[in-house]
Amino acid sequence: DAKTTQPPSMDCAEGRAANLPCNHSTISGNEYVYWYRQIHSQGPQYIIHGLKNNETNEMASLIITEDRKSSTLILPHATLRDTAVYYCIALGSQGNLIFGKGTKLSVKP
Amino acid sequence: EAGVTQFPSHSVIEKGQTVTLRCDPISGHDNLYWYRRVMGKEIKFLLHFVKESKQDESGMPNNRFLAERTGGTYSTLKVQPAELEDSGVYFCASSLYRDSYGYTFGSGTRLTVV
Repeated sequence: DAKTTQPPSMDCAEGRAANLPCNHSTISGNEYVYWYRQIHSQGPQYIIHGLKNNETNEMASLIITEDRKSSTLILPHATLRDTAVYYCIALGSQGNLIFGKGTKLSVKP
Repeated sequence: EAGVTQFPSHSVIEKGQTVTLRCDPISGHDNLYWYRRVMGKEIKFLLHFVKESKQDESGMPNNRFLAERTGGTYSTLKVQPAELEDSGVYFCASSLYRDSYGYTFGSGTRLTVV
C-alpha cells in the first residue's frame, strides 16, 4: 500500500495561504491522493482529492507534481477555524483509507 | 441532509463488560466503514460494509469485535468482552460510492475501558 509522509506541524498566519506538503513517492499510477482534516473532537472531514491534474474546490486547491511523488494542499486564506490535523491519504488495496500521523496546522491571529 | 450519526458519543465501561456502538449512515449510502483511533496511534481502518455484506474486515483486531449491518441501514459494533486496550475513539463513515470520494464521517464514539 502507498504510504505518505507529512511534516508533523506547521504554523500559518490568519489570512495567509497555508501550504501543506505531502510526499507519496510509492504511490502507483492509478492511486488517488486524498486530503482530509480533523478538527479537534470531530470526525475526519473530506477536503479534496486528485490523480494527476491540479484540483480546486470551495475549500482548497491541490497541486500534484508531474511525477506524482508529492503534492501540496493549499488553503488560500487560512482562518482560525482551519486549525486542525490535515491528513494526506492514499487508499489501501481494498479501497480503505490509510491515515498517517498528519500535519497539525495552527492558524495564528 | 442529515450526516452520519453515532451513538453514544461517550461510553465508560469496566474491563470484561460488553459495549455496543451504533452508526446511522447517510440515507442511501450503501458503503459503511468503521475506523478507530486508540490512544497515541493513528486512525485505523476496521471494516467496510456494502449494504448488509462485509466487504472487507481485514482491520478487525480480534474476535472480540463483531460488526453487523442488518437490512443494510444502521450498523452496530459490539466489543465483548472489552479490554483496556480497546479504549479509543471509534469513527463510522459512509459513502455513496466504493472509492473514498465523499466519505462522510460521524463525530465518533469515545470508548473508555477501565
